[in-house]
Amino acid sequence: VLTQSPGTLSLSPGDTASLSCRASQAVDSTYLAWYQQKPGQAPRLLIYGASSRAAGIPDRFVGSGSGTDFTLTINKLEPGDFAVYYCQQFGNSPAYTFGQGTRLE
Amino acid sequence: QVQLQESGPGLVKPSGTLSLTCAVSGASIRTGNWWSWVRQTPGKGLEWIGEIFYSGKTNYNPSLKRPVTISIDKSRNEFSLSLPSVTAADTAVYYCARINGRGYYFDFWGQGSLVTVSS
Repeated sequence: VLTQSPGTLSLSPGDTASLSCRASQAVDSTYLAWYQQKPGQAPRLLIYGASSRAAGIPDRFVGSGSGTDFTLTINKLEPGDFAVYYCQQFGNSPAYTFGQGTRLE
Repeated sequence: QVQLQESGPGLVKPSGTLSLTCAVSGASIRTGNWWSWVRQTPGKGLEWIGEIFYSGKTNYNPSLKRPVTISIDKSRNEFSLSLPSVTAADTAVYYCARINGRGYYFDFWGQGSLVTVSS
């Protein structure tokens, strides 16, 4: 189980956001990803392998962590960053699970 | 650029079968990737349904507790989902997505297809 906190994060443009994803069992960092989802859109891959940015993702998005604790940090928030963020792991059954999401408003 | 597009009925009657197809463009479905279905509901969030490899090998989420079928049509470069015995709880936005085989993450997604289960 992946537990994300906080459920909602209220910040302003220019701030730094810190989103947490905690796993109930240790996760191989290779298999931890982060996604951004805006209303009416599909999730968009941001980070894979816990810390590698997907193609076209600005370096303001920083993934870190290992074991059971992972963090997505978004520096210098821009208006387009306000969305819902999900973490996802590949592991035991079921093979793929997602956190419940953090809404950045 | 890899693109995926879901298609299928937007309304299914209770106890009926939900059927969706995902057309893949910009990449061959025969590549070494898994192809997957994910659904999203307000109550349960994002839920992985299952996946298929081009060879036809499949894996499913056991929590669905139904004989879900994902099939592949290599000649049409598409794959499909069949979910039987649907109830209102299966009302969701259904996404098809490609799984990157290096890290088992979803790197390309379809736009999503809203399926409502109602009589």
